[in-house]
Amino acid sequence: EAGVVQSPRYKIIEKKQPVAFWCNPISGHNTLYWYRQNLGQGPELLIRYENEEAVDDSQLPKDRFSAERLKGVDSTLKIQPAELGDSAVYLCASIPGGGGKREQFFGPGTRLTVL
Amino acid sequence: AQSVTQPDIHITVSEGASLELRCNYSYGATPYLFWYVQSPGQGLQLLLKYFSGDTLVQGIKGFEAEFKRSQSSFNLRKPSVHWSDAAEYFCAVGEQSTFIFGSGTRLSVKP
Repeated sequence: EAGVVQSPRYKIIEKKQPVAFWCNPISGHNTLYWYRQNLGQGPELLIRYENEEAVDDSQLPKDRFSAERLKGVDSTLKIQPAELGDSAVYLCASIPGGGGKREQFFGPGTRLTVL
Repeated sequence: AQSVTQPDIHITVSEGASLELRCNYSYGATPYLFWYVQSPGQGLQLLLKYFSGDTLVQGIKGFEAEFKRSQSSFNLRKPSVHWSDAAEYFCAVGEQSTFIFGSGTRLSVKP
């Protein structure tokens, strides 16, 4: 079974430029997460999807960040424009549907450097 | 407020020595509990999880953790550390679809 796929793995951009990250969760996993992980910190939730619906985006900086999950499978996270403070690792995770005892499966992450 | 505390930012142990990483949480009810490991440039890999039942949980790579309800703790242990265990370790708590992570403990292993 393929794991969570993310691309690109690394991205270097100049500030004020746009950037997008892509995530393909494990097949059949209805819930998808985007996390931001700053250096030396744990992951912090940006947004959670249940199928194609964003059910928790309270921590997403909506002035510059946007996300979509069309058809409830792949997801894209976008930053426009990027700021120096956006340098971090962006992690995607997914869990199966059905509720109950579930664990998250993480992708390898995208390391963003904003110059 | 819900929170996870990993009080040790960085721990160094000798290869072959025992290891204990601490995790304390604040949560309204008994949550599900997890330990993840993250090697440089990699995503998070699940070491072990506790949902219910036996409070001593066995995981991969020889790790175990013990849930202590009275102390709101879920400490990770390993009897003999290998050089390949050097990594960042994260404790997480959650229920259903919501998860909170600690800030991590970086483990260094000296020969």
